[in-house]
Amino acid sequence: EAGVTQFPSHSVIEKGQTVTLRCDPISGHDNLYWYRRVMGKEIKFLLHFVKESKQDESGMPNNRFLAERTGGTYSTLKVQPAELEDSGVYFCASSRGTGHYEQYFGPGTRLTVT
Amino acid sequence: DAKTTQPNSMESNEEEPVHLPCNHSTISGTDYIHWYRQLPSQGPEYVIHGLTSNVNNRMASLAIAEDRKSSTLILHRATLRDAAVYYCSTSYGKLTFGQGTILTVHP
Repeated sequence: EAGVTQFPSHSVIEKGQTVTLRCDPISGHDNLYWYRRVMGKEIKFLLHFVKESKQDESGMPNNRFLAERTGGTYSTLKVQPAELEDSGVYFCASSRGTGHYEQYFGPGTRLTVT
Repeated sequence: DAKTTQPNSMESNEEEPVHLPCNHSTISGTDYIHWYRQLPSQGPEYVIHGLTSNVNNRMASLAIAEDRKSSTLILHRATLRDAAVYYCSTSYGKLTFGQGTILTVHP
């Protein structure tokens, strides 16, 4: 089966611009997670979808970040407007279920805000 | 989510066993113990997980302390491809990544 894919692999934007990251989970996986690693720090959880519903968005840093998963398939994470501290690697993961299920990670999107 | 503590780095020789420890003294009763690893320029990769009993799979073994406050990931014969950052996480659902352990494998 195809793995989790993320697009783009790398994005360079200027401060104040908007960027949209996309994640395509493994087919049939209802659970979708977003994580990010900024400036060499630890990987941090952002939010969790179950199908199209946000199950947990406690990790979203502020209202400049908007995540959607229309139709419960792919997900987008929009950053508007981008700030310098948003630079980092954004990972998406999907799983069959919640809790103890294995999460399959995508390769990540490297976001650079200049 | 419970906090985990891992050594910053460990080294091993190829084909030797490696024991990677993790302390998670504040683990709650419903939390699973997950291990993931990350190779350079890749997303984290699942290794193994468990709740109370020791677990084995094709990649590794997981030894869980009786009080569940610590666990050890065991790679039975390290290969060069096992060189990575290894993370343990105690959670139900979303994962929490600490600094992890950088494993270096020498030929």
